[in-house]
Amino acid sequence: DAGVTQSPTHLIKTRGQQVTLRCSPKSGHDTVSWYQQALGQGPQFIFQYYEEEERQRGNFPDRFSGHQFPNYSSELNVNALLLGDSALYLCASSGRTSGWPPNTGELFFGEGSRLTVL
Amino acid sequence: SQKIEQNSEALNIQEGKTATLTCNYTNYSPAYLQWYRQDPGRGPVFLLLIRENEKEKRKERLKVTFDTTLKQSLFHITASQPADSATYLCALLSNTGNQFYFGTGTSLTVIP
Repeated sequence: DAGVTQSPTHLIKTRGQQVTLRCSPKSGHDTVSWYQQALGQGPQFIFQYYEEEERQRGNFPDRFSGHQFPNYSSELNVNALLLGDSALYLCASSGRTSGWPPNTGELFFGEGSRLTVL
Repeated sequence: SQKIEQNSEALNIQEGKTATLTCNYTNYSPAYLQWYRQDPGRGPVFLLLIRENEKEKRKERLKVTFDTTLKQSLFHITASQPADSATYLCALLSNTGNQFYFGTGTSLTVIP
């Protein structure tokens, strides 16, 4: 059973460029969340996708956008890159329930995409 | 939103001792709280979940407590081993149920 897979694992961009990161969730999971983790910090929530819609968004500018496809895979796009966007970008998948809380519990994380902006 | 504080400094303990990590939060009590382990350059790995109506949860050498009055969770690793060396993150579910707030993590080193 494949877990969460992310690509690419590492990439280097320059300021002002655009980047697209990709994520395939764990089999059976329909919800994908993206997190940004700066060095020495905890993951910060960017947004969550469910049924191809953005369900919730964290405190990130519009330069950060995403998409979820019918097969539940997801992309994170960042435009007009800044030096401060350098971080590990983590994708996490989870299942959902009809009750409360809507997420079943644990997040399954991928190994992340390490973005360096020069 | 939530503000979460974990042990601000790295924790070094001797092999075989019990490690105790702290997670304090400031606002509403979440439906549940989780603990994750993260190794350098890797994604976090889920360890334990504890619900708001549970006071304690155990899994092998791990124990988590959840005190909604103190707004605190404690994470214990008993009979610690060098392989337990990692960063441990606590995560709280938001009141919308759609996002997790993570602490900055506590770096644990178990010395042989």
